Amino acid sequence: AQSVTQPDIHITVSEGASLELRCNYSYGATPYLFWYVQSPGQGLQLLLKYFSGDTLVQGIKGFEAEFKRSQSSFNLRKPSVHWSDAAEYFCAVGANTGNQFYFGTGTSLTVIP
Amino acid sequence: DAGITQSPRHKVTETGTPVTLRCHQTENHRYMYWYRQDPGHGLRLIHYSYGVKDTDKGEVSDGYSVSRSKTEDFLLTLESATSSQTSVYFCAITSHGLAGVYEQYFGPGTRLTVT
Repeated sequence: AQSVTQPDIHITVSEGASLELRCNYSYGATPYLFWYVQSPGQGLQLLLKYFSGDTLVQGIKGFEAEFKRSQSSFNLRKPSVHWSDAAEYFCAVGANTGNQFYFGTGTSLTVIP
Repeated sequence: DAGITQSPRHKVTETGTPVTLRCHQTENHRYMYWYRQDPGHGLRLIHYSYGVKDTDKGEVSDGYSVSRSKTEDFLLTLESATSSQTSVYFCAITSHGLAGVYEQYFGPGTRLTVT
């Protein structure tokens, strides 16, 4: 069965520090992988996606993610976190038919000065 | 911005009353979805639609019904609201993005409180 696991419910980092949010997936075929960000009271915004090719993908707001097939992982990274990055982050896997998406339970990021 | 609006944005209703949430899109997308978001559960799919009058159930469809009589509108109805349906509801569409990858885009959400 398809599933997405985000093992960290909450992470706190200092402003300027590096960040890595973990995502593991279970999917029978080649996955399409996504990261979304949700600021308080807002909808979800697509940060980046992977579907093929280079396993290191760049997204908006300085985020990147690396697909590792052997580990079934798609971790999100940022070299230097800004206070405005405080939000909830969701990892998702999608079918290439376009009709099914599966989301993780999210990781809440707090940024301290 | 995928041209998705939701109405109402906030609603408080009493247990046992019917409630309808509306999702409207302006870009003629085929697939539309309703999710609910609850702490500790992330996003859970309620129903989705793959065309006018074509809908299917998601993982948490009990107590909800949907209708899609026009491409642009996808309605979610709680026939008799219960307190367990207090949640934030998100509508989403799937867009066929660059290089043929399907991407999902979300509306701003509706916060529903059932008292």
